Amino acid sequence: NAGVMQNPRHLVRRRGQEARLRCSPMKGHSHVYWYRQLPEEGLKFMVYLQKENIIDESGMPKERFSAEFPKEGPSILRIQQVVRGDSAAYFCASSPGLVESYEQYFGPGTRLTVT
Amino acid sequence: RKEVEQDPGPFNVPEGATVAFNCTYSNSASQSFFWYRQDCRKEPKLLMSVYSSGNEDGRFTAQLNRASQYISLLIRDSKLSDSATYLCVVNMGSNYQLIWGAGTKLIIKP
Repeated sequence: NAGVMQNPRHLVRRRGQEARLRCSPMKGHSHVYWYRQLPEEGLKFMVYLQKENIIDESGMPKERFSAEFPKEGPSILRIQQVVRGDSAAYFCASSPGLVESYEQYFGPGTRLTVT
Repeated sequence: RKEVEQDPGPFNVPEGATVAFNCTYSNSASQSFFWYRQDCRKEPKLLMSVYSSGNEDGRFTAQLNRASQYISLLIRDSKLSDSATYLCVVNMGSNYQLIWGAGTKLIIKP
């Protein structure tokens, strides 16, 4: 039973390019969360999605960042026109979305480096 | 005041000792509480959920104190492999969103 999958694991982009990060949730999980973690800092919530719906994007910057979780395929976090400050580890987590279980399970993360 | 607060540490503890950390939360309506551990440059991993009655798993014990709004994690007979950052996580009522503490760094020394 595969866990949460993220790819790529490492991504290098030059300033101004686009970054696309992918996340496949655990089997049976319909809820996906994206987090950003800067070096030596805690996790910062970005966005919470269910299939085809953005439930809460309060942690996502208003510009350049977008996320989707289509009916088929992985969830995508897209960063347009990347800047050096976007360099961070981006983690995706999934949960079954059951009222009795809020536990989230994390993927290995994508480390984005902007040069 | 932060929604979830933890002492960042680091806690330097000799192998075999017992160590405990607390985490305070601000929202009295919080319903679910968790401890995660995160190793350097790795993803957070669920360590244990914290129930009202407390929870014990081997050398690890978690407690919830609703009156004072804190949760605690106790590690007995600490091992070198326990060295990590321990993250306190609280959900807000019926909201699926988890609020993460910044973590407490634990270093177990031989």
